[in-house]
Amino acid sequence: NAGVTQTPKFRILKIGQSMTLQCTQDMNHNYMYWYRQDPGMGLKLIYYSVGAGITDKGEVPNGYNVSRSTTEDFPLRLELAAPSQTSVYFCASRVGGMNTEAFFGQGTRLTVV
Amino acid sequence: QQQVKQSPQSLIVQKGGISIINCAYENTAFDYFPWYQQFPGKGPALLIAIRPDVSEKKEGRFTISFNKSAKQFSLHIMDSQPGDSATYFCAASMDSNYQLIWGAGTKLIIKP
Repeated sequence: NAGVTQTPKFRILKIGQSMTLQCTQDMNHNYMYWYRQDPGMGLKLIYYSVGAGITDKGEVPNGYNVSRSTTEDFPLRLELAAPSQTSVYFCASRVGGMNTEAFFGQGTRLTVV
Repeated sequence: QQQVKQSPQSLIVQKGGISIINCAYENTAFDYFPWYQQFPGKGPALLIAIRPDVSEKKEGRFTISFNKSAKQFSLHIMDSQPGDSATYFCAASMDSNYQLIWGAGTKLIIKP
C-alpha cells in the first residue's frame, strides 16, 4: 500500500527559481490537500481539491498554484521562490463524503536561499 | 468561529504519567473531532477521533473526552511511554465543509 507519495523529500531552491512538488495517491480519494508546516507551528492549508478539475484556495495560497487533472495526482507549483516559502510541505487525501481520516504523505522539506 | 485553540504548546511528562492536551472550538456546527500524532520527519497520522454524540472514546491508552456544552475536547494518554513523544494535533470539521480546521499542535516529551 503506497498511500500518499510525495516527491522530492528534500529540495534547495534559489530565490526566484520555480519548482513543482509532486503528490500522488492510490486510494481513489476525491479530496486532496496541500499544507505547509513551519517550525513549531501547525498546519496551514495552501490549496485543496474535491475532485479532478476542481481546486480552491486555502488559508495561504499566495505564491503557489495547483492543478488536478486526475484523481490520483495533485501537484503544487511554486513560482518565483522566496525565502518565506522555506517550510515543510505535506500533501494529504481523504475519501470525502462523511468526515473521514486524512492520510498524509511523508512531506517535502524545501529551503529557499 | 473557524478556529481550534490547542494547549499547551509543549508538555513534559514522566514515564508512566498521564498526558493531557486540550482543545477548544467555537463553531457548534463541527461534528467530527480527530487527534493526529506526528513523529519527527513524518506526516501526521490519525490517532483517535470522536463525534459529539458521545462524551468519551477510548482506544488502548488513548482517550478523548468531549464536553459539548463547554465546546472543549481533550486527549488523555495514560501510562505515557517514551515512544509517545511526538507532536499532537487536534482538529475539527463538519460534513458540509471539505476542510479540517487544525489546532497549533502540542509537542509532547515523555521523560524516561
